[in-house]
Amino acid sequence: SAVISQKPSRDICQRGTSLTIQCQVDSQVTMMFWYRQQPGQSLTLIATANQGSEATYESGFVIDKFPISRPNLTFSTLTVSNMSPEDSSIYLCSAKTTLTGELFFGEGSRLTVL
Amino acid sequence: QKEVEQNSGPLSVPEGAIASLNCTYSDRGSQSFFWYRQYSGKSPELIMFIYSNGDKEDGRFTAQLNKASQYVSLLIRDSQPSDSATYLCAVALYGQNFVFGPGTRLSVLP
Repeated sequence: SAVISQKPSRDICQRGTSLTIQCQVDSQVTMMFWYRQQPGQSLTLIATANQGSEATYESGFVIDKFPISRPNLTFSTLTVSNMSPEDSSIYLCSAKTTLTGELFFGEGSRLTVL
Repeated sequence: QKEVEQNSGPLSVPEGAIASLNCTYSDRGSQSFFWYRQYSGKSPELIMFIYSNGDKEDGRFTAQLNKASQYVSLLIRDSQPSDSATYLCAVALYGQNFVFGPGTRLSVLP
């Protein structure tokens, strides 16, 4: 399995500000993803973080709002820009392991926007 | 549009019974199927994955896959109150993006 460390684990932010979430994986992974989980809902894929190039975004998510970096194989960041209360959610980093292809999740970052 | 469907529940079973969780998917090209457990306030935890038609057993858990019917299920034998959680079905195409179902909330009653 892979251990995925995410920080911050939670934050309370003001409308209009931006927050960057960091994700570090402890083992070899092929792909890294960022998901959002709104209260009582399932997981929605925001984007695939590509090493050294622009992330691949899902429908409804754009780079200006959710810029993502992945400078190396095991580290990625997600920024939530110009936040509004609608961005209040749990943001989850995940990674697919090289060896088994299983998808593991970090502990999540619970974001509250006032 | 790839879709994964699950009954939202809650599914209530008495302690010691078998809990049966079901999932259907729309994309016939799907190759990998995963079950995750998510406790309230926690992130999803991988329980099992299955690639081939038939059954796969791991302890009290059995995953069943029927690609012809586009159906995957998870059986939990001897259910315990600690099994109470939301169970998410996920489907992957060529090991790429994972599509998650809405989850089924399971409640095991002591």
